[in-house]
Amino acid sequence: DAMVIQNPRYQVTQFGKPVTLSCSQTLNHNVMYWYQQKSSQAPKLLFHYYDKDFNNEADTPDNFQSRRPNTSFCFLDIRSPGLGDAAMYLCATSRKGYEQYFGPGTRLTVT
Amino acid sequence: SQELEQSPQSLIVQEGKNLTINCTSSKTLYGLYWYKQKYGEGLIFLMMLQKGGEEKSHEKITAKLDEKKQQSSLHITASQPSHAGIYLCGADMRRGNQFYFGTGTSLTVIP
Repeated sequence: DAMVIQNPRYQVTQFGKPVTLSCSQTLNHNVMYWYQQKSSQAPKLLFHYYDKDFNNEADTPDNFQSRRPNTSFCFLDIRSPGLGDAAMYLCATSRKGYEQYFGPGTRLTVT
Repeated sequence: SQELEQSPQSLIVQEGKNLTINCTSSKTLYGLYWYKQKYGEGLIFLMMLQKGGEEKSHEKITAKLDEKKQQSSLHITASQPSHAGIYLCGADMRRGNQFYFGTGTSLTVIP
């Protein structure tokens, strides 16, 4: 089935140790999003790609970077994770102007 | 500031009761989406509304967008334990691919 896949589902990293989260899709959608969701809060958009065009939210910390090497894959890089970066990270895809399809999320723990 | 406000923040209802969740914006909404999230999981798309006055139904869930396109309501008829979860409204706040979520409503249905 066509879907949005996130790996790993659970990630533990040490304070300051770079970590990469991955997202892949078989929907051939041109837009891909990364959200951060902390406990009991709504997802917060970090950035999105419209095709290869990268769009960063104004308040997304520089510590967060993203790469989209092709239509199917998108990566979230956290260069120096802090304790405050522990959260669920959600990837989503859409066609422009249509509903988003979400992956199951990666829960990041920072020790 | 929060772009989308949801009310109530949490809701506990007896199985079989009807309930309504509201989503309000101070700006015109170009597309309003309702999602459901179970704890620790990704978001599931429920419905999308785009036109003022539009109403859509799926099984026991009905969503409406007001004429001014600044408020939406989600109504569940004869609630069941399977309806429990967090309901999030999301919207295009401006034309393009910017997307924001509401504050979320946690629904508990008591058997």
